[in-house]
Amino acid sequence: DAGVIQSPRHEVTEMGQEVTLRCKPISGHDYLFWYRQTMMRGLELLIYFNNNVPIDDSGMPEDRFSAKMPNASFSTLKIQPSEPRDSAVYFCASNRGGGHEQYFGPGTRLTVT
Amino acid sequence: SQQGEEDPQALSIQEGENATMNCSYKTSINNLQWYRQNSGRGLVHLILIRSNEREKHSGRLRVTLDTSKKSSSLLITASRAADTASYFCATDENSGYALNFGKGTSLLVTP
Repeated sequence: DAGVIQSPRHEVTEMGQEVTLRCKPISGHDYLFWYRQTMMRGLELLIYFNNNVPIDDSGMPEDRFSAKMPNASFSTLKIQPSEPRDSAVYFCASNRGGGHEQYFGPGTRLTVT
Repeated sequence: SQQGEEDPQALSIQEGENATMNCSYKTSINNLQWYRQNSGRGLVHLILIRSNEREKHSGRLRVTLDTSKKSSSLLITASRAADTASYFCATDENSGYALNFGKGTSLLVTP
């Protein structure tokens, strides 16, 4: 298995632009998680899905952030409009459920200027 | 919200020495996990210990869990330069699905 795949690996955009981050989880994993990592706040859970349904989005910072999972093999995290404080590394992870290890993708480094 | 908090924030040792990192948490858990992150990479799972376990081993790794003190420790024995990374503990919410990560311990192992 190729592991969790994220794209793009790096994204540089200007403030106000729309940003879409993509994730392909490991086949057979029912849970998908989106995290954001910054030096100041560490690793924060933004949202997670079970069987393509959002379960907890309480970590989504603002309405500018939205996430979808149209099918079991694809998820997107969208920021519209983007702001400089959104600059961070965004990770996607997947697993088979509670009590199991999470498998992380390589992350997308987002820079908003 | 952050639940697991690692200590120390940074640790520098020489190859061959043991490295011990600690993690404290606040609420009840079903399990606690340790992850490693190399610079510029994603997190990699190291070991999971359940709330009814007190100690677990995996190769050069030893993890202990004290639920009465709400704390865990990760011991890396005979460290190598390749062990240089950040180490995070993660605890599950009561639901058992979401994980809360600490801010990590940055370990530097010098040859």
